[in-house]
Order: sequence, then structure tokens, then C-alpha cells
Amino acid sequence: GAVVSQHPSRVICKSGTSVKIECRSLDFQATTMFWYRQFPKQSLMLMATSNEGSKATYEQGVEKDKFLINHASLTLSTLTVTSAHPEDSSFYICSASQPIKSSTDTQYFGPGTRLTVL
Amino acid sequence: KNQVEQSPQSLIILEGKNCTLQCNYTVSPFSNLRWYKQDTGRGPVSLTIMTFSENTKSNGRYTATLDADTKQSSLHITASQLSDSASYICVPRTLDTGRRALTFGSGTRLQVQP
Repeated sequence: GAVVSQHPSRVICKSGTSVKIECRSLDFQATTMFWYRQFPKQSLMLMATSNEGSKATYEQGVEKDKFLINHASLTLSTLTVTSAHPEDSSFYICSASQPIKSSTDTQYFGPGTRLTVL
Repeated sequence: KNQVEQSPQSLIILEGKNCTLQCNYTVSPFSNLRWYKQDTGRGPVSLTIMTFSENTKSNGRYTATLDADTKQSSLHITASQLSDSASYICVPRTLDTGRRALTFGSGTRLQVQP
């Protein structure tokens, strides 16, 4: 199946700094990528939908100025957590789907990035 | 509002035993339903996908069933292995292709003990 990678897998940063997380589709072109956040023992919550070459669509309650998303190419999307605070500590997961607009299109998930803000 | 309820919330079984996880949903109009397996600290991996016309689908030791009339699905795991310890998430989707993001339920946390 298709492979999606994330980098880094773990990151620890100080409060107030910014952290960039990369999501790459390794063997297919992804016109759409999704960013999710998962707190311990909770389900994945969608943060934003990212379409290549256009602005991301953020879910209600997600601050677009705090979570900057860039999807500059068909294989790369980045999520930057700006001015991170301890409450931003979470597991961030991206997914990517191929350019097939169908409700049966498969999304391939990355392995996730564990962010810890001290 | 589209909702997903999974039961049990958590389950502990002995290695080699079978188990069945349940999913009730209220997604409408219904298109398809996926079961995902998520290992701790990893991204979800798709196990099965079923459309409304399919009643059952297998993937190795995993067998999913779907009753689109009662809006229920189950995931049966046979001859469980230690590596089956994970969260299992049921994800129903609507026909709205304009919204391609997935809405995840809280899942069932399965622990297989030796």
C-alpha cells in the first residue's frame, strides 16, 4: 500500500518556540492531506484539511494562526505549531489521499509525531 | 448529527482466544464503513472497508460484518495474538464526497495477554 512518512517522530521543545512537522507521501501524489491531533486515550480529531496549492481549511476551534499549514507540493505538507505551549503537547498525525474524489478513497496515515512542550 | 458508538471501550483477552468488537453508527446517508487498527504511538492502519451492499469482509484473522439496515458493524478477531493489542476504530462515511476527512470514534482498546 501507499506510504506516508512524518518527520520528526518525536520532538521536545520549550514553551514559546515553534515546531515544524513534515508529512510526505512517498509513492503517490496527494492532492489532499489531513492533519489530526490525538490526546492520550482519545480519538483522532481533525484539525485541518490541506489541498495542494491552496489555503488549508481549519476545523472549528482550531486557530489557523497558531497551526500554520503549507501544502506546496503534491507530496509534502507541513504543520507548524507556533509559540507552542504545554497544552499543545499531543500526538499529531497526518493522512494523505490520492486525487480520487470518492467516498471510498483510501486515506493513508503517517506514523505520527509526538510533540512535548516543556 | 453523525455519531459512532463502539463497545466495549476496552477488552482484555488471552492469547489464542477470539473476540468481537461492536460499532453502532448514525451516519446518513451511508456510503461505507472502515475498521482501523491503531497501535499505541502509531498512525491508524486500515483493516477493512465495506460498502452498504456488503455484509462481510475478511482480512486474515479479521472479519468485519455490516448490517446497513440496523446501522451496526462488528469486527471479529480469531486466534488472537499479542500483536493484536491495539485500539480498533470504526469509521463510517457519508456519501458527501465534499468532505473527505474521517470522523473517528473513540475505539475499543484491546489487550491480548499471554
